[in-house]
Amino acid sequence: DAMVIQNPRYQVTQFGKPVTLSCSQTLNHNVMYWYQQKSSQAPKLLFHYYDKDFNNEADTPDNFQSRRPNTSFCFLDIRSPGLGDAAMYLCATSRDLPSSSYNEQFFGPGTRLTVL
Amino acid sequence: AQSVTQLDSHVSVSEGTPVLLRCNYSSSYSPSLFWYVQHPNKGLQLLLKYTSAATLVKGINGFEAEFKKSETSFHLTKPSAHMSDAAEYFCAVSGLGGGNKLTFGTGTQLKVEL
Repeated sequence: DAMVIQNPRYQVTQFGKPVTLSCSQTLNHNVMYWYQQKSSQAPKLLFHYYDKDFNNEADTPDNFQSRRPNTSFCFLDIRSPGLGDAAMYLCATSRDLPSSSYNEQFFGPGTRLTVL
Repeated sequence: AQSVTQLDSHVSVSEGTPVLLRCNYSSSYSPSLFWYVQHPNKGLQLLLKYTSAATLVKGINGFEAEFKKSETSFHLTKPSAHMSDAAEYFCAVSGLGGGNKLTFGTGTQLKVEL
């Protein structure tokens, strides 16, 4: 089945220790997104890639970076995690951008990040 | 600009009774509207999507939603709740006026009791 895969499902890191979260997709979608979701809140968009074009949300902290080496993979790097970065991180993909007709986003299961 | 308001943060129903989760939207252009469901510690699953074809949209697991432009609403319904429906439900909107992003509501926690 075509899907969005996130690894690991649970990640524990120490305050200030860099961490990388991984997302891969078999849907061959052009767009990949990273969302941060804190407890009992809606997902908050951090950034997205349209193919190789990177689009950062204005309020995404510099501490968060992303890489998309190819169509299938996208990584979220947190350079110096703080306690406030503990959250569920969701990866999503879509065939085209939200303003288009092919805008359904398909989500992975998420990675729950704990910062000690 | 676009926005979504989910009127109830918590809804509780008995198993076998109807479900109504309310969503109102604001969008400058013809929007796409979505309902997603999220079970604990899981990602979001798309229940259904409205894209200006039919105003009554049928989704998975017996859910449906009706787009009412005059009321700017997109409420989610199900005739008969099942225990497995207990989850968080998010309404979302996207479109030309939304800065190319999907805007979520704050979510409605659905509890299903025996």
